[in-house]
Amino acid sequence: NAGVTQTPKFRILKIGQSMTLQCTQDMNHNYMYWYRQDPGMGLKLIYYSVGAGITDKGEVPNGYNVSRSTTEDFPLRLELAAPSQTSVYFCASSYSWTGANTGELFFGEGSRLTVL
Amino acid sequence: AQSVAQPEDQVNVAEGNPLTVKCTYSVSGNPYLFWYVQYPNRGLQFLLKYITGDNLVKGSYGFEAEFNKSQTSFHLKKPSALVSDSALYFCAVRDTQYGNNRPAFGKGNQVVVIP
Repeated sequence: NAGVTQTPKFRILKIGQSMTLQCTQDMNHNYMYWYRQDPGMGLKLIYYSVGAGITDKGEVPNGYNVSRSTTEDFPLRLELAAPSQTSVYFCASSYSWTGANTGELFFGEGSRLTVL
Repeated sequence: AQSVAQPEDQVNVAEGNPLTVKCTYSVSGNPYLFWYVQYPNRGLQFLLKYITGDNLVKGSYGFEAEFNKSQTSFHLKKPSALVSDSALYFCAVRDTQYGNNRPAFGKGNQVVVIP
């Protein structure tokens, strides 16, 4: 199984440009998440989704948008890129947190974004 | 509300010595607790979890963790550290209180195993 696949792995943007980070999973997980990781700051949740058509904000949603049209895909859109969005972005997925499903996350390999 | 604290920024240990990475948590309901490991330039990988039952849980790569409800802790341990254990370790908690759909992560601990 491929698990969680993120593209691109690396990207350099100019201030004001826009782009989409792609994330797809093949485990039929209902829950999907986008995190950003900055040195010494741990993981910050940007957006998450509990199923197709349902998304919600995390801790740091400003400057980002998401959509969830299918179970498999959860793209993250950056509008008007700013230097503060320079970070490593991780997509993750998990089963619904019900019954026997205990909710451990499966992560992609990350997308390193630099905004200059 | 749920939160996780990993009080140390970096843990240095000599190869062959016991390794401990500390984690304390705060929840409103009952906790599901997790440890993840991140190797350089990689995503996080699940190591182990505590859900219920035996307070000592065993996971991948010889790691184990002990759940202590009275101290609200879930420390990660390995009896004999390897150089290859050098990585970033994250503790996470899920509060089982109804309506919670997202885990809380600690800030991570860098583990350096010295040959």
